[in-house]
Amino acid sequence: QVQLVESGGDLVKPGGSLRLSCAASGFSFSDYYMTWIRQAPGKGLEWVSYISSSSSFTNYADSVKGRFTISRDNAKNSLYLQMNSLRAEDTAMYYCARADSAYSHFDYWGQGTLVTVSS
Amino acid sequence: DIVMTQSPDSLAVSLGERATINCKSSQSVLYTSNNKNYLAWYQQKPGQPPKLLIYWASTRESGVPDRFSGSGSGTDFTLTISSLQAEDVAVYYCQQYYSTPPHTFGQGTKLEIK
Repeated sequence: QVQLVESGGDLVKPGGSLRLSCAASGFSFSDYYMTWIRQAPGKGLEWVSYISSSSSFTNYADSVKGRFTISRDNAKNSLYLQMNSLRAEDTAMYYCARADSAYSHFDYWGQGTLVTVSS
Repeated sequence: DIVMTQSPDSLAVSLGERATINCKSSQSVLYTSNNKNYLAWYQQKPGQPPKLLIYWASTRESGVPDRFSGSGSGTDFTLTISSLQAEDVAVYYCQQYYSTPPHTFGQGTKLEIK
C-alpha cells in the first residue's frame, strides 16, 4: 500500500534552516510528481511546492520562493524540502503528497511533520 | 491566482440528513479540450491529514462511500453527503488544479452534527 512518511520537523529559531524528508513506499516513486503542502495551526491548507517525476520541473508558492528548495532522490524513494531563512509564519504541519502531474489532485498524503519557528 | 471560496464556513446537520457544501472559483476550472473540471474535494478529520474524496469534480475516489458525491462545472461546485453519518464530522476543502502554480484550496467548511 502507498505510504508517505515525513520527518525532520523541529523547533527552530527565526532565520534558521531545516530539511524535511518524505520517505515513499508502495508505489513507483519515480513515476509521480510530488508536492509539499502546509497547514498552520488551526488554519487551512496552503500548497508550498512541487517537483516533477524526474526533477526537471519545480515550482514554489510566492511565500517561500527563494527560501525553500524542493528536491528528490528517486533511487532512495525520497522527497526533500530544504527550508532556509525561516520565519514565524512558516510554522505549520508540513505534508508531502503524491500527484500524477502538475495539473492533478493529490491522491495520497503523509501524516505530516511539524515545523515550529520561534525564538 | 484562482481564488476558491467555500460556503458556508461551518455547517451543522442532523444524523441521516443531507449536507451540502459549496465551492466557487474566481475563474472557470473547466478545460474545454477534455471537458474536465480540475476540481477536487478533501476531507480532514481532527489530527489527521486530508483525504481525497472526489476529483475531476465528480469522480469518487476508490473506497469513498457512495453517500459522498460531487457536482458542478465551470466556477460553481457542490459536495453533497446524502445521509450524514457520525464519522463524517470533519473539515472539507475544495482545491483547483486547473491553473498551477499555485494549487489553491478553499478556506474549508467545518461539518458538525446538530
